[in-house]
Amino acid sequence: GIQVEQSPPDLILQEGANSTLRCNFSDSVNNLQWFHQNPWGQLINLFYIPSGTKQNGRLSATTVATERYSLLYISSSQTTDSGVYFCAVRKTGFQKLVFGTGTRLLVSP
Amino acid sequence: NAGVMQNPRHLVRRRGQEARLRCSPMKGHSHVYWYRQLPEEGLKFMVYLQKENIIDESGMPKERFSAEFPKEGPSILRIQQVVRGDSAAYFCASSSGLERGGHEQFFGPGTRLTVL
Repeated sequence: GIQVEQSPPDLILQEGANSTLRCNFSDSVNNLQWFHQNPWGQLINLFYIPSGTKQNGRLSATTVATERYSLLYISSSQTTDSGVYFCAVRKTGFQKLVFGTGTRLLVSP
Repeated sequence: NAGVMQNPRHLVRRRGQEARLRCSPMKGHSHVYWYRQLPEEGLKFMVYLQKENIIDESGMPKERFSAEFPKEGPSILRIQQVVRGDSAAYFCASSSGLERGGHEQFFGPGTRLTVL
């Protein structure tokens, strides 16, 4: 099956710092989504981004499907950004999402 | 403007009991997916359903687990004779289906199952 790897696995930032999270996948996909799982366990949709670049406030994401990776940028991080960030992909021809291993982010004041 | 609804949010069962988890998709969505998240792990696909049909159950354990999405009412994930290893968060997602351009899946708040 398709492999989805995220890096780094853990990240500690001071409030106000910027960061880049990476998602690599091993096969062609027609769907890629980024999620934030907050400390209460809720999954929040951040981006649906099978290709190209999108921005939403302090967050932006870029997917280069031909090179099989996606990047999530967090600027001016806040303590509320803490949690686990997952990317998930859907392989062409399938419906299910395959989740990556996650990046655990801790933003300290 | 309700999103995906799941209930109960927390469920405690003793070993050997049955667990029933419910999921109501977003309005206008007819495709439902169930995922399981074991402690400290990512989400793993279990089953994909459309109304009255199971489309892909490749992630479902062979025994004790079943799912349905009836013509009326919510989707149900049923776990019979629960064991401690079933303790996890179970998430439901919905989409409007590829035929309607619905590539994005939207997730509910999850049901946290604890087996004593």
